[in-house]
Amino acid sequence: DIQMTQSPSSLSASVGDRVTITCRASQTITTYLNWYQQKPGKAPKVLIYAASSLQTGVPSRFSGSGSGTDFALTITGLQPEDFATYFCQQGSSPPFTFGQGTKLEIK
Amino acid sequence: QVQVVQSGAEVKKPGASVKVSCNTSGYTFISYYIHWVRQAPGQGLEWVGAINPGDGSTTYAQKFKGRVILTRDTSTSTAYMEFKSLRSEDTAVYYCARDLGGWAAGLDYWGQGTLVTVSS
Repeated sequence: DIQMTQSPSSLSASVGDRVTITCRASQTITTYLNWYQQKPGKAPKVLIYAASSLQTGVPSRFSGSGSGTDFALTITGLQPEDFATYFCQQGSSPPFTFGQGTKLEIK
Repeated sequence: QVQVVQSGAEVKKPGASVKVSCNTSGYTFISYYIHWVRQAPGQGLEWVGAINPGDGSTTYAQKFKGRVILTRDTSTSTAYMEFKSLRSEDTAVYYCARDLGGWAAGLDYWGQGTLVTVSS
């Protein structure tokens, strides 16, 4: 199975900050990498697919980058509604494993 | 508009089975894979398996093979997950979600989740 490792596990930031969350795959997954946002008690929401494609309706302050084994999700200009937990997921081969999550909290 | 609606919460005893439904509407059911993902209380997301509603083919995470069966009913645009031989550690919210295109290209529409509690 492909292991997905996110860092950091938690992050404190302020409204307006720029933050980056990273995700590393245990083997190459080219660009088969998706990012999700989850708020308490809600289903996850896809933000980025194929490493860098912004899902329809997602604000442009979210961006994704990377290929191979190293990926990043960047939020430029944090908004109050962005404080949530973020997960990466590889779509290269089953099982389509998720990272352990990064909890983004208000500083 | 696309809608994904799951069946309600279940409480089961260890060793029992549960069948969760995932009713979809607003799109061509047979054209998009359906994935199942679970989340234990306070934990991360765990991929369970996926079904191609077009031909019924399935793939499962190895740890669930033999205990999970994914099926679909194209006449009602509904996917099902049956989970057998339940254990306390299977207590989780189970989600179904539509794949936005192809194979694990990203899950764009999710059900509301079904809490399955396994307790004696």
